[in-house]
Parts: sequence; structure tokens; C-alpha cells
Amino acid sequence: DTAVSQTPKYLVTQMGNDKSIKCEQNLGHDTMYWYKQDSKKFLKIMFSYNNKELIINETVPNRFSPKSPDKAHLNLHINSLELGDSAVYFCASSLYGTGGTEAFFGQGTRLTVV
Amino acid sequence: DQQVKQNSPSLSVQEGRISILNCDYTNSMFDYFLWYKKYPAEGPTFLISISSIKDKNEDGRFTVFLNKSAKHLSLHIVPSQPGDSAVYFCAASVEGDKYIFGTGTRLKVLA
Repeated sequence: DTAVSQTPKYLVTQMGNDKSIKCEQNLGHDTMYWYKQDSKKFLKIMFSYNNKELIINETVPNRFSPKSPDKAHLNLHINSLELGDSAVYFCASSLYGTGGTEAFFGQGTRLTVV
Repeated sequence: DQQVKQNSPSLSVQEGRISILNCDYTNSMFDYFLWYKKYPAEGPTFLISISSIKDKNEDGRFTVFLNKSAKHLSLHIVPSQPGDSAVYFCAASVEGDKYIFGTGTRLKVLA
């Protein structure tokens, strides 16, 4: 069973489009995250949700909007896609947050904006 | 401002020898440190962690050392195996806040 699954694995789309990436975890974790890995391979947090509540929102453009319908799901919606949004996006979850626990990551979604 | 740094982008080691991956940090408030391993086209997978109240944690072939005074973390893999070839990320967190990752070190273990 996949612990953290995100779909799609690859996404190629044109500038200006709106797209969503879905994430689900079956670990019973309370906290979920979205990370972005850019062309320099730097893994940077975007959002963190605890029990459907937003707790971390880094300096991410308003075009990015996370949605957590329940604590097992954290989807990422991106409006008006730009070339610079091309990256690999990773979803992750952890039991209580980052204090003393590790995060489990999904396989990543490679987004290419053309 | 990069609070977690891995200054060696790559490292090559002969099979059976020791691999030492290094990580430096600037925030003295970090209280939990982790190492992740990442294969191509996969997400990072947790390897080993250490709390700031310890200076060493061992799990099989993997040992993490923490030197708080130097704000330095290292991962030792002994003996190194070809399957250990991957990108290794160190990460740190403070008081249950977000994980901050380094930029990774690509380890290549030569058979």
C-alpha cells in the first residue's frame, strides 16, 4: 500500500492554464505538506496543514491555493500557470508535525509549463 | 538565507569504504535533525534522525553525529554499498515547525 500518493506523476501544460495536483495519505497522520523542488534541487516548503487547518504558508504566490477536504487529503491548485512554476512538487505527511517525527513523502509530480 | 547547507554537491566512494556526508546549519534553535535519501523519480525517504539532546544515533550501517557547538551534522555509512547511491538531504526543524532542507549531496558508490 502506498503511504503518500500524489497524482498525476507528470503534468505538462501551457502557460495561463489552471491545474490541480492531488495528494492522499493513508497513514493516519495529522499534518500534511507541500514542498517544491526547483531546478537547483532545493526542497522548499510551501504549505503545511494540521487536521485540515493551514498552519504554514510560506511566501508563495496567491495563484497557489491548497485545499484540505479532510486530514487525509491535501490538494494543490495552481491558477494562471507561469513558466517559473515548472518544478517537482512533493506532498508529505507526518504524525504530529515536525517535532520529533519524520515526514513521509509522495513520489512527486513533475510539472512542466510550456 | 539558507539555514541548512550541504556544501558538497557530490561524493564518490569505493564499495565497502566509509561514506561521510556533511551538513551545516545556522539556526541554533533547531532541535531535530533528519537525513533523507532520494532516488531519481522518487520522493525522499526517511533514513535516520537525531534529537538535539543527543550527539549520536546509530541504525545499522548508518550513524548520524551532531556537533551542536559547531552547528554541524554528519551521516556515516559503513560499509558503503552500490545501492546507497542516491541524493542525500539533511533537514532540520525547530519546535514542531516546518522542515528546512539542505540542497542535497549526490553519493555515488563505486563497485
